Amino acid sequence: AQSVTQLGSHVSVSEGALVLLRCNYSSSVPPYLFWYVQYPNQGLQLLLKYTTGATLVKGINGFEAEFKKSETSFHLTKPSAHMSDAAEYFCAVSESGGYNKLIFGAGTRLAVHP
Amino acid sequence: GAGVSQSPSNKVTEKGKDVELRCDPISGHTALYWYRQSLGQGLEFLIYFQGNSAPDKSGLPSDRFSAERTGGSVSTLTIQRTQQEDSAVYLCASSFPDRGDTEAFFGQGTRLTVV
Repeated sequence: AQSVTQLGSHVSVSEGALVLLRCNYSSSVPPYLFWYVQYPNQGLQLLLKYTTGATLVKGINGFEAEFKKSETSFHLTKPSAHMSDAAEYFCAVSESGGYNKLIFGAGTRLAVHP
Repeated sequence: GAGVSQSPSNKVTEKGKDVELRCDPISGHTALYWYRQSLGQGLEFLIYFQGNSAPDKSGLPSDRFSAERTGGSVSTLTIQRTQQEDSAVYLCASSFPDRGDTEAFFGQGTRLTVV
């Protein structure tokens, strides 16, 4: 069965500092991987996704993530945090092809302080 | 439509009443999900519809919860005899996996409060 683990339910960084949000997954077949962001009182918005090909994927708002099969990880990074990045971030996995139900991690709430 | 639409945006109901939450997916999307997000919690999968296949109901928390999808489009999530623990934001999402696109697009959610 697929699962997603996000290490750290809360992460706090200073404005301008590196953002690193961790995601590990388990899947019996090659996965598709996603990061979503949720701003207060809003639905989820896709940040980026990995399906096939290049393992370093770039998304919106300066975020990127790297798929590392050997580590079963898909960590999200951003070189320099902005105040506007404060939100909740969800990692998700689905099996490639066929039945594509998304399984989400528990989420990481990112706080950015001046 | 341009995006996933959910209605109502907010619903307050008395304990024991039935409620219906509606989701209009993006036109042409064959897959539709319902998730529940309780205060401070992550996303709890409820049910998944994909085309004409039997829905995956494995996430429904009790038999008070049911969902249907009519004509492969609009979906309704029904909660019978609501309880206070049902208070949460209910999120709907749709996608088009048939073309290899598993990205899910989310609605704004329905905030359900059971008093």
